[in-house]
Amino acid sequence: GAGVSQTPSNKVTEKGKYVELRCDPISGHTALYWYRQSLGQGPEFLIYFQGTGAADDSGLPNDRFFAVRPEGSVSTLKIQRTERGDSAVYLCASSLRGSGGAYEQFFGPGTRLTVL
Amino acid sequence: AQSVTQLDSQVPVFEEAPVELRCNYSSSVSVYLFWYVQYPNQGLQLLLKYLSGSTLVKGINGFEAEFNKSQTSFHLRKPSVHISDTAEYFCAVSHTNAGKSTFGDGTTLTVKP
Repeated sequence: GAGVSQTPSNKVTEKGKYVELRCDPISGHTALYWYRQSLGQGPEFLIYFQGTGAADDSGLPNDRFFAVRPEGSVSTLKIQRTERGDSAVYLCASSLRGSGGAYEQFFGPGTRLTVL
Repeated sequence: AQSVTQLDSQVPVFEEAPVELRCNYSSSVSVYLFWYVQYPNQGLQLLLKYLSGSTLVKGINGFEAEFNKSQTSFHLRKPSVHISDTAEYFCAVSHTNAGKSTFGDGTTLTVKP
């Protein structure tokens, strides 16, 4: 079956602009995660959804970042007033269940965001 | 809080040689441990995971890892590497009661002919 998909694959924007990044998880997966990967570093946790609700948003760096998952499937990560420091690869992952951390997370290919 | 340290940022090795990629973690509670591989221009793929039970875990592509609780380590090993194993490898931990994972900064494995 289809894996996790993310669109767009690349996004170039100007400082101060608003961007939306989309994630389509594997069908039937109730948990969805967003991570950010900067050059030379490992993925850094941003937010985790269990169903429609954000179960843990402790990784969001500031209030310019927001994510939604209104129907418990597709999720959108929204970044307002982008800054050059937001440039990174944004990864989405989904898993069958979220609680307990034991369920394998399946990662999408990522969206490379470049803020000029 | 939990953290992961991958002790080597780059590991060059010749084909058919053994390799060990080192990972140490820090956590005040019980954790699950994972190794992921990221091939060039591809997404992260799970190699293996430790949840409980036997401390020696076998994964895909001939990799294995050993959980050592006293040393808080989860080193990845392969007895004989191939050119195709060239990739970035990430160690990760998650709490047993939380879904998110904390990743190390990765180790670049380069297999030379």
